[in-house]
Amino acid sequence: GAGVSQSPRYKVAKRGQDVALRCDPISGHVSLFWYQQALGQGPEFLTYFQNEAQLDKSGLPSDRFFAERPEGSVSTLKIQRTQQEDSAVYLCASTEGGSYNEQFFGPGTRLTVL
Amino acid sequence: GDSVTQMEGPVTLSEEAFLTINCTYTATGYPSLFWYVQYPGEGLQLLLKATKADDKGSNKGFEATYRKETTSFHLEKGSVQVSDSAVYFCALKPGSARQLTFGSGTQLTVLP
Repeated sequence: GAGVSQSPRYKVAKRGQDVALRCDPISGHVSLFWYQQALGQGPEFLTYFQNEAQLDKSGLPSDRFFAERPEGSVSTLKIQRTQQEDSAVYLCASTEGGSYNEQFFGPGTRLTVL
Repeated sequence: GDSVTQMEGPVTLSEEAFLTINCTYTATGYPSLFWYVQYPGEGLQLLLKATKADDKGSNKGFEATYRKETTSFHLEKGSVQVSDSAVYFCALKPGSARQLTFGSGTQLTVLP
């Protein structure tokens, strides 16, 4: 079936605007991860869901970042009052069954804050 | 904390050349180790993995051996192709963790 999809693929925001990034995991995948990838760097963990429960949000850089997965499938990462340092690629990954299985990544959303 | 250090790029090779991308790690316990590849415009894809010391992961002609004594997981390929041009990421996952910890990535360009 289809892989992990993310939308939009590109987002330009003015500083101070709120943005919402969407992730559609592979159908039936229980676990979902968000990562942030700054230019020239590797991805860094933001948060993790198992079904609709957010079990780990230790990587969220500030309280301006909020993620949800209300029905245990689609997830949204919201960033309030965007700052220039939020410019990055935001990656979503999902796993079948437990969180220790292989993570399948989406293509990412490139966020540019002007 | 846990961390991964990769050789810095970019790396440029001619087709059929031998490839090595170095990766060392710092972790508590016994992590699983991974190499991911990111082709232009695409998401990260798992290339290979190893879950315990002395394991060798292999895929598409790429190999890496989990060396606990040197805390290394170097990626090798005997003969690269133009289609191997991509960014390669080394990553680890400690046994107790769910998320991956990545290195900074190495850009590989293979010229015909």
